[in-house]
Amino acid sequence: AQSVTQLDSQVPVFEEAPVELRCNYSSSVSVYLFWYVQYPNQGLQLLLKYLSGSTLVESINGFEAEFNKSQTSFHLRKPSVHISDTAEYFCAVSQAAGNKLTFGGGTRVLVKP
Amino acid sequence: NAGVTQTPKFQVLKTGQSMTLQCAQDMNHEYMSWYRQDPGMGLRLIHYSVGAGITDQGEVPNGYNVSRSTTEDFPLRLLSAAPSQTSVYFCASKWTAHNSPLHFGNGTRLTVT
Repeated sequence: AQSVTQLDSQVPVFEEAPVELRCNYSSSVSVYLFWYVQYPNQGLQLLLKYLSGSTLVESINGFEAEFNKSQTSFHLRKPSVHISDTAEYFCAVSQAAGNKLTFGGGTRVLVKP
Repeated sequence: NAGVTQTPKFQVLKTGQSMTLQCAQDMNHEYMSWYRQDPGMGLRLIHYSVGAGITDQGEVPNGYNVSRSTTEDFPLRLLSAAPSQTSVYFCASKWTAHNSPLHFGNGTRLTVT
């Protein structure tokens, strides 16, 4: 069985400041890792994913996440946030040989002007 | 391209009533799934399907039924609604390739009184 823990339920941050959202997972087999974003009153959208290869993955809107196998972590970072980054962010894991996705509890990011 | 379409957007039920949440996708995805989202608990998998005629249980299947008669549709049935089923429900679909990301609908907000 796999599980995901997002260590912060809420992260307030000022505009143009950096932000880090922490995600730890547990699994006994190889995994794929994902970050999804949910804007108010919408469904979830894929932000970025780690499948294999380079441990640092980037999204088109400036987010990046680093896969750390020894620490079983997949933390999400952005060096300078915008008001439009206000949303809830979900870390998710699936087994490399499976389809089921397990989600963390979510981190709500509130960007203040 | 509509993607994943869920209806209705909102629904209020009385305890004991039944209803069906509809989900349709036009991407020819083999895999479809239903999640419920509750505050602080992330998304939890209710049921999933890897193709027409094949369904299986997720983490929290009790009180819900599904069927998959076509590739496009994956309805979720509540046979006798309970207040504990008050939640936001998301349908999601993907290719069965294990590294394929989930595509989500915009959700159905269900309140059971």
